[in-house]
Amino acid sequence: GQNIDQPTEMTATEGAIVQINCTYQTSGFNGLFWYQQHAGEAPTFLSYNVLDGLEEKGRFSSFLSRSKGYSYLLLKELQMKDSASYLCAVRGVNQAGTALIFGKGTTLSVSS
Amino acid sequence: SQTIHQWPATLVQPVGSPLSLECTVEGTSNPNLYWYRQAAGRGLQLLFYSVGIGQISSEVPQNLSASRPQDRQFILSSKKLLLSDSGFYLCAWRVTTADYGYTFGSGTRLTVV
Repeated sequence: GQNIDQPTEMTATEGAIVQINCTYQTSGFNGLFWYQQHAGEAPTFLSYNVLDGLEEKGRFSSFLSRSKGYSYLLLKELQMKDSASYLCAVRGVNQAGTALIFGKGTTLSVSS
Repeated sequence: SQTIHQWPATLVQPVGSPLSLECTVEGTSNPNLYWYRQAAGRGLQLLFYSVGIGQISSEVPQNLSASRPQDRQFILSSKKLLLSDSGFYLCAWRVTTADYGYTFGSGTRLTVV
């Protein structure tokens, strides 16, 4: 089976740093993705990890540990516009082919 | 440029009515295409995926079907909608110019009444 877990909700203040964790158990692994989804909109791509380590893209960083089945998304210098859901997704090597399997998402609320 | 189009944006349908949602991709050939559904308070659920014309794989047995009549066209259908079919339907394709980045269409919000 496949299982992707992430916290349901998180809150933070402007200018702060927040870390959103994701743990996964999948039949095969071929990459982990993070997406941002604002209310009522489609998800947009944030980051991709396939090897262990940290990938940095501006204010956003994503980390992967394949042996632990663990990833996190780090958001720095939080802004109000970062209030959104953050989706962790895994691309497996299974009957779903190249499809991404998503966790339920973490709703982040940024306050001033 | 590579783009994905999905329509309609919103739809209100009565129970028992048929459904047809269309997704088209431009600027690429032989893309991998996917249909997802996001119900209220739930994550994105993979419904169907297709790696080529006429090739459809179903992930969740339910009241829906999918077809791929042309290389860049992916259609989601139902003969008789149920209340439980309500949700946000998203078409996605795998960007072929990079090893990452699955791009989503703008989505269709379906309400079955």
